[in-house]
Amino acid sequence: SQQGEEDPQALSIQEGENATMNCSYKTSINNLQWYRQNSGRGLVHLILIRSNEREKHSGRLRVTLDTSKKSSSLLITASRAADTASYFCATVETSGSRLTFGEGTQLTVNP
Amino acid sequence: DSGVTQTPKHLITATGQRVTLRCSPRSGDLSVYWYQQSLDQGLQFLIQYYNGEERAKGNILERFSAQQFPDLHSELNLSSLELGDSALYFCASSVAYGERYTFGSGTRLTVV
Repeated sequence: SQQGEEDPQALSIQEGENATMNCSYKTSINNLQWYRQNSGRGLVHLILIRSNEREKHSGRLRVTLDTSKKSSSLLITASRAADTASYFCATVETSGSRLTFGEGTQLTVNP
Repeated sequence: DSGVTQTPKHLITATGQRVTLRCSPRSGDLSVYWYQQSLDQGLQFLIQYYNGEERAKGNILERFSAQQFPDLHSELNLSSLELGDSALYFCASSVAYGERYTFGSGTRLTVV
């Protein structure tokens, strides 16, 4: 079963615009991670945010975490055509060690 | 190259057959995870090994089994294959529980 639900399921924007994806989850977590997957390829880790952190940055990526609302968001600023991919949030529950993935958001950045 | 090696990249086989997927984790990573990705089920966790021992099981069918060897490589065995087993199978590794995973490029299994 999926832990997280991403919103929106699909997002299409123009190059240079910002892209925001949201993730909601159900249980208490140790950390939340975002991954990117180009079509049919392996997943690439983007960023990890721990339950005691509220915001984290990595290059053009900004991740927020609100444990009271059990939600996270991923912001990609100044998007590029090369950012076109599926983006997944994944959680590690406080009682577990494995990652449970959401359904993903398909991002298309039009040149 | 992520450091996690999966072979083969593609596999086409008939229903009822048995296949073995192989994974070599990133150097230094003791945990290995197997995931199945299909269009209608998303990424499903199958099983986790840590330093040769099974640590967690997900929605893994009884027809599927896995093991991790002393050199830390892992194999996922799928038997009595059905059309619905067609999917991408990913292996991932991590240095510690619940930390960032490094994924392999996957094995695309097609059952005909």
